[in-house]
Amino acid sequence: LAKTTQPISMDSYEGQEVNITCSHNNIATNDYITWYQQFPSQGPRFIIQGYKTKVTNEVASLFIPADRKSSTLSLPRVSLSDTAVYYCLVGGLLTGGGNKLTFGTGTQLKVEL
Amino acid sequence: SAVISQKPSRDICQRGTSLTIQCQVDSQVTMMFWYRQQPGQSLTLIATANQGSEATYESGFVIDKFPISRPNLTFSTLTVSNMSPEDSSIYLCSVVTSGRRGLGDEQFFGPGTRLTVL
Repeated sequence: LAKTTQPISMDSYEGQEVNITCSHNNIATNDYITWYQQFPSQGPRFIIQGYKTKVTNEVASLFIPADRKSSTLSLPRVSLSDTAVYYCLVGGLLTGGGNKLTFGTGTQLKVEL
Repeated sequence: SAVISQKPSRDICQRGTSLTIQCQVDSQVTMMFWYRQQPGQSLTLIATANQGSEATYESGFVIDKFPISRPNLTFSTLTVSNMSPEDSSIYLCSVVTSGRRGLGDEQFFGPGTRLTVL
């Protein structure tokens, strides 16, 4: 299993950029890196996914170095509503990746005024 | 994408009883999973619900305690049997589909069933 390591918690203020880094040293060739967001009393929700280099969508950017052993989720200009737990997953079922989609501890992001 | 509903959304049960949780998906999906999330904790995979065959359980979870049915590609049930207070948790159903824009897997989750065992 591709074990992932993330900071347990992070604090930020509204309007700031937040970067959450995830380590995944034993990522397999066919594994993708996916980030999920979870609010209390809800199931996790897909944020962004990448394989290598940089991916950007309407809510976040994902930076993946060439060795793919880590990844960084970047949230631009966070607001109070971004307070949530963020999970980094490494795996690939349909892509033939070697790892199941296993959730790590996640990072509790708290955004304040 | 996939939209998932679960029933019930929450329940309070007595020790020793069983509860069956239903998961309905709005499209046919091959891969369906059941997770447990204890208060303040991450998600733990219970099993993979296989259509037409027995579920595949993760270490620490057994069929007698968590029997799973998967009669078709849009529906599954998880039963929590002979419940104890330690089973108090949120139980989530999820499915995996091909990612958008040709990327890897994308996992969708139901809203969860909050179970309290007294």
